[in-house]
Amino acid sequence: GQQLNQSPQSMFIQEGEDVSMNCTSSSIFNTWLWYKQDPGEGPVLLIALYKAGELTSNGRLTAQFGITRKDSFLNISASIPSDVGIYFCSGGGADGLTFGKGTHLIIQP
Amino acid sequence: DAGVIQSPRHEVTEMGQEVTLRCKPISGHDYLFWYRQTMMRGLELLIYFNNNVPIDDSGMPEDRFSAKMPNASFSTLKIQPSEPRDSAVYFCASSPGVDEQFFGPGTRLTVL
Repeated sequence: GQQLNQSPQSMFIQEGEDVSMNCTSSSIFNTWLWYKQDPGEGPVLLIALYKAGELTSNGRLTAQFGITRKDSFLNISASIPSDVGIYFCSGGGADGLTFGKGTHLIIQP
Repeated sequence: DAGVIQSPRHEVTEMGQEVTLRCKPISGHDYLFWYRQTMMRGLELLIYFNNNVPIDDSGMPEDRFSAKMPNASFSTLKIQPSEPRDSAVYFCASSPGVDEQFFGPGTRLTVL
């Protein structure tokens, strides 16, 4: 089946720093979505991307759909304590969504 | 608007017992998905339905797992008999299309 490589696996940063994470695949996807999961909760959709090359922002979050349709990145600017959590990328295709293993974001005050 | 509702939130059972997890999707969503999340394997799609019909159950681990969707507002995932390796968090998600899925809070299952 399709697989996504999400990196980094974890990030330890200072409050106020910018964050960047990405996903790559050997497969082409029709959509890319980014989710955030807080402890004890289900993933929550942050940004959805539908076109190769698309760059979309949601507040301090910015995500891009790679031009090759095989990758995507998520940037968070000026991180704050509530940004802590696990971020998942997911690629959408004919078989539904395929999820990356997640990036654990830890923010030190 | 109410999101996806799952019950129970936590379930502790003994090996060999039957476990039934329940899900109420968001009204109007045509797709319903069941996922399992573990530290080792991450989020795995088990099965999904479109308009109450199972479309892809290739992710269901084995015959001990079964899922039903008798109507547009209810679905169950059943494990019979349960085993310790089934311990995980099980999520239900719904969506108007295949993408942009909305997840429930999950059921944390522990099989002793």
